[in-house]
Amino acid sequence: TQLLEQSPQFLSIQEGENLTVYCNSSSVFSSLQWYRQEPGEGPVLLVTVVTGGEVKKLKRLTFQFGDARKDSSLHITAAQPGDTGLYLCAVLYSGGYNKLIFGAGTRLAVHP
Amino acid sequence: SQTIHQWPATLVQPVGSPLSLECTVEGTSNPNLYWYRQAAGRGLQLLFYSVGIGQISSEVPQNLSASRPQDRQFILSSKKLLLSDSGFYLCAWRDGLNTEAFFGQGTRLTVV
Repeated sequence: TQLLEQSPQFLSIQEGENLTVYCNSSSVFSSLQWYRQEPGEGPVLLVTVVTGGEVKKLKRLTFQFGDARKDSSLHITAAQPGDTGLYLCAVLYSGGYNKLIFGAGTRLAVHP
Repeated sequence: SQTIHQWPATLVQPVGSPLSLECTVEGTSNPNLYWYRQAAGRGLQLLFYSVGIGQISSEVPQNLSASRPQDRQFILSSKKLLLSDSGFYLCAWRDGLNTEAFFGQGTRLTVV
């Protein structure tokens, strides 16, 4: 089983729609990161959430860390084609908190 | 500023041939270094990570190995490639004090 379960696996929507993707685990984390990856490139960090219940906003993207620090969500308002990509959540886990583990990702396609 | 270099960008190798992928980081010292493999459209599978010269932690026992001969150099190797070794290989580094990871541009490996 994966440490981080991301859902949905795929999402295809029209420009202007809202969407939420999820990152869930049975483990508790001190922090959680969200990355976005475009085809043929490495992931790029969007945000790090640290405190249980924390909400962070990045333009039209809203990130929330669960109260128990086991899960997180990413909400996009009025999606645009430029939001298309693979959204990955990640945590530092064991190995002296040096092991950086990623979820399987949500692949988002926003159509004009 | 810090930069990460990964090469080659693409590689086509026959089954049974050796492999050497190199990753170097500039502008930082004693980084944590990571090798990931990504199947098409999927998440990142952690292969190896290193917290210092000569210190390698292996996550996936298979015919791949990693070495860190210098502080800012991380090498992924194989003596004999398998078809299943095909994929997108990503190198990443992070400062041991921060959670954010920075990725190279990746190597697209096709084993034929």
